[in-house]
Amino acid sequence: DAKTTQPNSMESNEEEPVHLPCNHSTISGTDYIHWYRQLPSQGPEYVIHGLTSNVNNRMASLAIAEDRKSSTLILHRATLRDAAVYYCILFNTGGFKTIFGAGTRLFVKA
Amino acid sequence: DSGVTQTPKHLITATGQRVTLRCSPRSGDLSVYWYQQSLDQGLQFLIQYYNGEERAKGNILERFSAQQFPDLHSELNLSSLELGDSALYFCASSVSGTGDYGYTFGSGTRLTVV
Repeated sequence: DAKTTQPNSMESNEEEPVHLPCNHSTISGTDYIHWYRQLPSQGPEYVIHGLTSNVNNRMASLAIAEDRKSSTLILHRATLRDAAVYYCILFNTGGFKTIFGAGTRLFVKA
Repeated sequence: DSGVTQTPKHLITATGQRVTLRCSPRSGDLSVYWYQQSLDQGLQFLIQYYNGEERAKGNILERFSAQQFPDLHSELNLSSLELGDSALYFCASSVSGTGDYGYTFGSGTRLTVV
């Protein structure tokens, strides 16, 4: 099964952009790239997903490398409420499994 | 409120017992997923159902079973419980179950086995 690799933690200043990287070098052609975030004692929250093209929504942007072996979640202006664990996951359409990595804990400083 | 309802929110039970966790998916979603999150292992995929049929299995123990009913709600049954089964159990739902839509997670059931 394809795996994702993310930094354990990152730090950002409030109101600055944040770029959260994810490597998924074993991604297969039909795997979707999803991002979720989880606050303490809460269920994961959907952030964004994509297949090949870059995606934007009200929460964030997703930049996908041309070879699809990596992606970057972009929070345009970090707020204190964005402090969470961010998971990059691959949706394996072949086996319908979802593989969660360890996630990146984002710290936001005021 | 995410639209995915999980009950109960908390459950404390003894080793060797059996419990049932319930999940009602968001309206319109046909696919339900179950995940286990323990302190030392992160989020582990257990099983997925789509429109009543089992679609994929992850690291689900033989002591655990699940089903999705005609009204699309799902139940996760955990039996012969061990201390190591203590964890947060999340249910998520999505429209298609093929990755082209995002998942919506419930707020989880915290299971404590004593």
